[in-house]
Amino acid sequence: EAQVTQNPRYLITVTGKKLTVTCSQNMNHEYMSWYRQDPGLGLRQIYYSMNVEVTDKGDVPEGYKVSRKEKRNFPLILESPSPNQTSLYFCASTHSGRAIYEQYFGPGTRLTVT
Amino acid sequence: QKEVEQNSGPLSVPEGAIASLNCTYSDRVSQSFFWYRQYSGKSPELIMSIYSNGDKEDGRFTAQLNKASQYVSLLIRDSQPSDSATYLCAVIFQGAQKLVFGQGTRLTINP
Repeated sequence: EAQVTQNPRYLITVTGKKLTVTCSQNMNHEYMSWYRQDPGLGLRQIYYSMNVEVTDKGDVPEGYKVSRKEKRNFPLILESPSPNQTSLYFCASTHSGRAIYEQYFGPGTRLTVT
Repeated sequence: QKEVEQNSGPLSVPEGAIASLNCTYSDRVSQSFFWYRQYSGKSPELIMSIYSNGDKEDGRFTAQLNKASQYVSLLIRDSQPSDSATYLCAVIFQGAQKLVFGQGTRLTINP
């Protein structure tokens, strides 16, 4: 089944404790992206990647890192999480190397930082 | 002014009627338009994509795009209670590498 998977789905952590949210897709998609969704602010892009070893900042990259060592995986790293990073996170992918076509979303990761 | 705007609703429609959802976007060159459905706590699910002016139909859903008026809409015919969700309009502006989302319209279909 073609899908985007994320792990963990739910995470409660404390300020400053490094964490990684994994994202994997089995559709051989070139483009992958991370979004966060907050009430009143909607969905905003954090980082994106147009191919292996090619990443760039989105609208809200502060406090986040990403890597794209393999085509299928695009992990989101929070080196020192803070409470303002409490949010619902979504990974998305599309077959093109550019973001002009349909993007398919993973199931989401609900992160709480205390 | 936000780049992509939707009426947040809630929009209440009786079962079997047509639900009409609207979205306007800013005066930038745009190339791709999408409608996503999102149930509470779930991920956005792609319903429709439209790239050129006119109508595009897929089952009970019709997307309409009017680039001159900077307007994209989604019609849902024969609305069902299972259509109750938040509908997100998203635009990709030329040269950008991201979806720009509206705030979403919460739709309720009343049995």
